[in-house]
Amino acid sequence: KQEVTQIPAALSVPEGENLVLNCSFTDSAIYNLQWFRQDPGKGLTSLLLIQSSQREQTSGRLNASLDKSSGRSTLYIAASQPGDSATYLCAVDGASGAQKLVFGQGTRLTINP
Amino acid sequence: GAGVSQTPSNKVTEKGKYVELRCDPISGHTALYWYRQSLGQGPEFLIYFQGTGAADDSGLPNDRFFAVRPEGSVSTLKIQRTERGDSAVYLCASSFTGNTEAFFGQGTRLTVV
Repeated sequence: KQEVTQIPAALSVPEGENLVLNCSFTDSAIYNLQWFRQDPGKGLTSLLLIQSSQREQTSGRLNASLDKSSGRSTLYIAASQPGDSATYLCAVDGASGAQKLVFGQGTRLTINP
Repeated sequence: GAGVSQTPSNKVTEKGKYVELRCDPISGHTALYWYRQSLGQGPEFLIYFQGTGAADDSGLPNDRFFAVRPEGSVSTLKIQRTERGDSAVYLCASSFTGNTEAFFGQGTRLTVV
């Protein structure tokens, strides 16, 4: 059974810092890994999707990497801003052919002005 | 539509009542998913539709939960004899096909009193 773990559970940093969020998964036979952002009381916004054949994806100040063999992904946020404050979730799909996302519990990020 | 639409956004119901939650996916997306999210947790998979058929319903917790997608577009999640433990945010997502980028709606917050 696929399990996804995100560390840390919560992170608070001053504005302007670069930061890294971590995600690990137990079954490396995945199709995709997707990072989402969730604001309080809202749905999920897709940030980046990395296919299993890729090693990283970039969008603006965000960079996500994938090391499938070791079951790890990182989300790097450059020059953090207060508007980046949210919960960040990673999810994987395709383990054992299943077409469903398995989520971590998320990292609650607070950027202090 | 421009995004995944879920109605209602909030639903309060009495224990034992029947509820229906609606999801309108992005036009042209053949894959549709339902997830359930409890406070402080990542979303958990309930059911996956490819077209009109439920390709994977392994996440439905018991036979009080049922979902349909009769015309391959709009889906309805139906919960019979609701219990207080059913209280959660129910999220719907769609993707072009299975194992591609998933886009989520804003969710329906269900409260059973």
